[in-house]
Amino acid sequence: SAVISQKPSRDICQRGTSLTIQCQVDSQVTMMFWYRQQPGQSLTLIATANQGSEATYESGFVIDKFPISRPNLTFSTLTVSNMSPEDSSIYLCSVVGIQETQYFGPGTRLLVL
Amino acid sequence: AQTVTQSQPEMSVQEAETVTLSCTYDTSENNYYLFWYKQPPSRQMILVIRQEAYKQQNATENRFSVNFQKAAKSFSLKISDSQLGDTAMYFCAFSWQGGSEKLVFGKGTKLTVNP
Repeated sequence: SAVISQKPSRDICQRGTSLTIQCQVDSQVTMMFWYRQQPGQSLTLIATANQGSEATYESGFVIDKFPISRPNLTFSTLTVSNMSPEDSSIYLCSVVGIQETQYFGPGTRLLVL
Repeated sequence: AQTVTQSQPEMSVQEAETVTLSCTYDTSENNYYLFWYKQPPSRQMILVIRQEAYKQQNATENRFSVNFQKAAKSFSLKISDSQLGDTAMYFCAFSWQGGSEKLVFGKGTKLTVNP
């Protein structure tokens, strides 16, 4: 399966600021996704990162709050904008690899004070 | 909308014993995919096993196997010869087009393997 890295691995931010999370894959992949995992909860899809076009957002998530870029087939960024403590979560990117299966990055743990 | 239910928030098992984690799902689709993912304290989500709904044979990966009951919409995970490294959160997930569509996750089962 592809090797996926995320930066930063963790961060502590002040409310009202923004953080950009990077997801890098060691091979070209067609599909990339961004998920959120709130404390003690399961994973919820934020959006599908589309290469060359705007991301596709799930219900409850908007582009102004979670802008996503996908400049090529190996890289994507997720920005968490105007953060509040409710945004404290683990953010994970995933890619579709062999056998049409999603593989996840190590996650970015975000704490908003 | 598809839903995934894991009715066991926490479970524990003794090392070397066998444990079964439950998962049920709801869908009107006939073809879909089911997954079990493991999330250890390090938080890296790791694929444990996958099952295509059109395959009658239950998937197996070493000590991990599933009991897939399509009519009952049940997809349980059996871990044999449990090891301390199996301690983790286990999430059951559903997708109606393999991995190319979003995964819908259950709330997870926290498994502790005791020495």
